[in-house]
Amino acid sequence: EAAVTQSPRNKVAVTGGKVTLSCNQTNNHNNMYWYRQDTGHGLRLIHYSYGAGSTEKGDIPDGYKASRPSQENFSLILELATPSQTSVYFCASGGWGAQNTLYFGAGTRLSVL
Amino acid sequence: QQKVQQSPESLSVPEGGMASLNCTSSDRNFQYFWWYRQHSGEGPKALMSIFSDGDKKEGRFTAHLNKASLHVSLHIRDSQPSDSALYFCAARRVPNTNKVVFGTGTRLQVLP
Repeated sequence: EAAVTQSPRNKVAVTGGKVTLSCNQTNNHNNMYWYRQDTGHGLRLIHYSYGAGSTEKGDIPDGYKASRPSQENFSLILELATPSQTSVYFCASGGWGAQNTLYFGAGTRLSVL
Repeated sequence: QQKVQQSPESLSVPEGGMASLNCTSSDRNFQYFWWYRQHSGEGPKALMSIFSDGDKKEGRFTAHLNKASLHVSLHIRDSQPSDSALYFCAARRVPNTNKVVFGTGTRLQVLP
């Protein structure tokens, strides 16, 4: 089965600090995604990427940056973390094209104090 | 705003019963739909996809799509305690089919 690995699994950060969440996939998928999950909001798309060097804004990109240095790796960066960014973050990968399924990592639980 | 809404927010059914979950889009350009399931402590996993109007059956699970009314549903017959999970509807819109939008989720509890 397709493999997506996120690190760290848990993170506690201070307000105003910089946080980097990492994601690695071994599926050779072109597309990668970052979502956050909050009760009542479901999964909301932050950023996504079509391939190495590309990043696209999702539906809630404010306060987040993304980086795709290679086919396998996709990072989410919080330059100045705020308590409102406390959430569970999921990375996913998927093939190119409308009919491809997404494969998710196990998630990173981030608390910003 | 959330362009894919799900109902109900939560649902309890007895073991062996039928569970029905609904998903409505506010964007007529959404053309490709999936159902994902998430057990506690895990990432979501794809359950089934549906791209054409009508029904699609996979075992105990049946998805129904009506593009004219922008409505997708999932029906689980003979529900099992292992079906207890958070269910998400996901959609891709044309022409940018690489952007995948998820709904608000329905929490299903199957009572033994």
